[in-house]
Amino acid sequence: KNEVEQSPQNLTAQEGEFITINCSYSVGISALHWLQQHPGGGIVSLFMLSSGKKKHGRLIATINIQEKHSSLHITASHPRDSAVYICAAPRSGGSNYKLTFGKGTLLTVNP
Amino acid sequence: NAGVTQTPKFRILKIGQSMTLQCAQDMNHNYMYWYRQDPGMGLKLIYYSVGAGITDKGEVPNGYNVSRSTTEDFPLRLELAAPSQTSVYFCASRLTQRAMNTGELFFGEGSRLTVL
Repeated sequence: KNEVEQSPQNLTAQEGEFITINCSYSVGISALHWLQQHPGGGIVSLFMLSSGKKKHGRLIATINIQEKHSSLHITASHPRDSAVYICAAPRSGGSNYKLTFGKGTLLTVNP
Repeated sequence: NAGVTQTPKFRILKIGQSMTLQCAQDMNHNYMYWYRQDPGMGLKLIYYSVGAGITDKGEVPNGYNVSRSTTEDFPLRLELAAPSQTSVYFCASRLTQRAMNTGELFFGEGSRLTVL
C-alpha cells in the first residue's frame, strides 16, 4: 500500500499570495495525480505527472521521484482558488489503476 | 461529451432499504471506479472495473455490489443500507493502457447518501 501524506491540512491565504501544497508518498510510482474539489462540488483532475513539472495557467505541479515528493503551487492566488486539493498515487509501484488518496488540503483565499 | 454522469445527487434511505447508484460515461473509458468520501478522510475505493464484464473489490467493498455489463455503465448497489454507509459517493473513469501511463481521472458530481 502506498501511504500518501499531504501538508498542510488547512491553509488560509490572502489574495495574490503564492501557495504551496505538499504531497509525500511511500512507494515508487509512475504517475501522481492532483485533484481539486470545490465545497459541495465534484472533483476535477488538475494534473497527472510522472516527472519534472507541469503548468496550467496559474497552477504548477512538480514532482521529485527520488524524494517521493510532489508540490502544487498556485501563483497570484484568487478567492476562486478556494477548494480542497487532493493528491493521489498508485497503491503500489506496479499497480497504476488503484490509487491511494491523501486527505486533502483545504485552501481558503481571502479577498 | 457529457463525461461521467451520476444519479441520484441526493438520497435518504431507511436502514435496511436497498438502492442503486447509477454511473455512466460516454468517453469509452475502460476503467471505472466507485469511491466513497467521508469527512476528514481520503477517498476510499469500493469497487472497480477494468472493462465490461470484469469487476473487483477495492478497500471497502462490504455492503455493496457492482456490475459492468457494458463499457458505459457501472452501477453500485447498496443492499440492506446501514448508517455506516452514509457518505458521498463518487464514480470515476479513465482510459488506461498497460503499455502507457494511465490516463487522467474523470469524476462524476457525486451522490450524497444518508441512511437513517
